[in-house]
Amino acid sequence: EEQLVESGGTLVQPGGSLRLSCVASEFSLSHYWMRWVRQAPGKGLEGVANIKQDGSEKYHVDSVKGRFYISRDNDKNSLFLQMDNLRVDDTAVYYCVRDRNYFGSGRMDVWGPGTTVTVSS
Amino acid sequence: QSALPQPRSVSGSPGQSVTISCTGTSTDIGANNFVSWYQQRPGKAPKLLIFDVYKRASGVPARLSGSKSDNTASLTISGLQAEDEADYYCSAFAGTHVVFGGGTKLTVL
Repeated sequence: EEQLVESGGTLVQPGGSLRLSCVASEFSLSHYWMRWVRQAPGKGLEGVANIKQDGSEKYHVDSVKGRFYISRDNDKNSLFLQMDNLRVDDTAVYYCVRDRNYFGSGRMDVWGPGTTVTVSS
Repeated sequence: QSALPQPRSVSGSPGQSVTISCTGTSTDIGANNFVSWYQQRPGKAPKLLIFDVYKRASGVPARLSGSKSDNTASLTISGLQAEDEADYYCSAFAGTHVVFGGGTKLTVL
């Protein structure tokens, strides 16, 4: 079964840093656009960042630009999200997501179970 | 970018039909046919139901259908079942990124 599993979420103080990781199993990450999507407690879904198959194109939502950085290591079948200068409103469950469409148009067909990031003093 | 407006909640009795709308603009829903719908149960990750406006994901029953008219997309669930009770989110491709709807809670009475 094709799966994604995230790790790295924890409690961190405002202004701190975290690096989230996501490992794929039973498929090759290199064939797909990949995304990080987050969900704050009791709120809806928000696309945080996405990255092209070869890493040559990346997009970050305005609220995280300059603080978060998406990257990938296809040899390790892994996706990452470096999160710096964290704020209280970054508190959320972060999902690693596969985009099945070759052009990354939002057919998000495989989701990890999520990892929880809590930013609090 | 702000979430696409969806009704906060809808409800229906078993066997009835409900439609959830998702209102966008000419830069997202109206710009292409890359609209998707997701179901999320409490404590779980979202699950893809519909992609490319109307195509059903693997294993999704035919009583779920998607459509689009101009800048508004819709998800219709016919023959409501208790298991349909969940949150539903639309998403639309906006050129470089996807934007999600605010989510709709479906209650089966």
